[in-house]
Amino acid sequence: GAGVSQSPSNKVTEKGKDVELRCDPISGHTALYWYRQSLGQGLEFLIYFQGNSAPDKSGLPSDRFSAERTGGSVSTLTIQRTQQEDSAVYLCASSLVTAEQYFGPGTRLTVT
Amino acid sequence: AQSVTQLGSHVSVSEGALVLLRCNYSSSVPPYLFWYVQYPNQGLQLLLKYTTGATLVKGINGFEAEFKKSETSFHLTKPSAHMSDAAEYFCAVSEVEGGFKTIFGAGTRLFVKA
Repeated sequence: GAGVSQSPSNKVTEKGKDVELRCDPISGHTALYWYRQSLGQGLEFLIYFQGNSAPDKSGLPSDRFSAERTGGSVSTLTIQRTQQEDSAVYLCASSLVTAEQYFGPGTRLTVT
Repeated sequence: AQSVTQLGSHVSVSEGALVLLRCNYSSSVPPYLFWYVQYPNQGLQLLLKYTTGATLVKGINGFEAEFKKSETSFHLTKPSAHMSDAAEYFCAVSEVEGGFKTIFGAGTRLFVKA
């Protein structure tokens, strides 16, 4: 079956512009995560959606970052007024609650 | 809240040598533990996981890990390293109190020398 998909695969934007990153999780997976992976760094947790519960936003680095998940499926991560330090690979993963995560291929964001 | 510490951001072994990647966790309740691998220019994939039951778990590519509650550890081992094992390895923990939110360690990059 289809895995987790993310779009776009690459995004180059100018400093100060807003960007939207999309994640399509595996059908039926109730949990969805966003992570950020900077060059040579580990996985930085950003946000966690689980079913109809309020999302855990504790990892969002600033109020320029927001995310939503519509209909318990597709999720969009929005970064407003992008900065150069936002350049990274943004990874999405989905899972059944107690099981392992399945990762998408990521979106490589470059802010110039 | 749970947390994960991976000892050593870089580990280098010779081909055929034992691989040992260390992971210690902090959790107030019995955790679920995972190891993921990220090969160069590829996405993350699951190596193995511990949920309940047998504390020694086997994963893909000859890797295994042992859950040691008394040591709060979940170290990853492989008896004999192959060149193809060169990758970044991430330990992760989730627990029911966090709604099973998964937290990852900082990762350990494994280098395999010929």
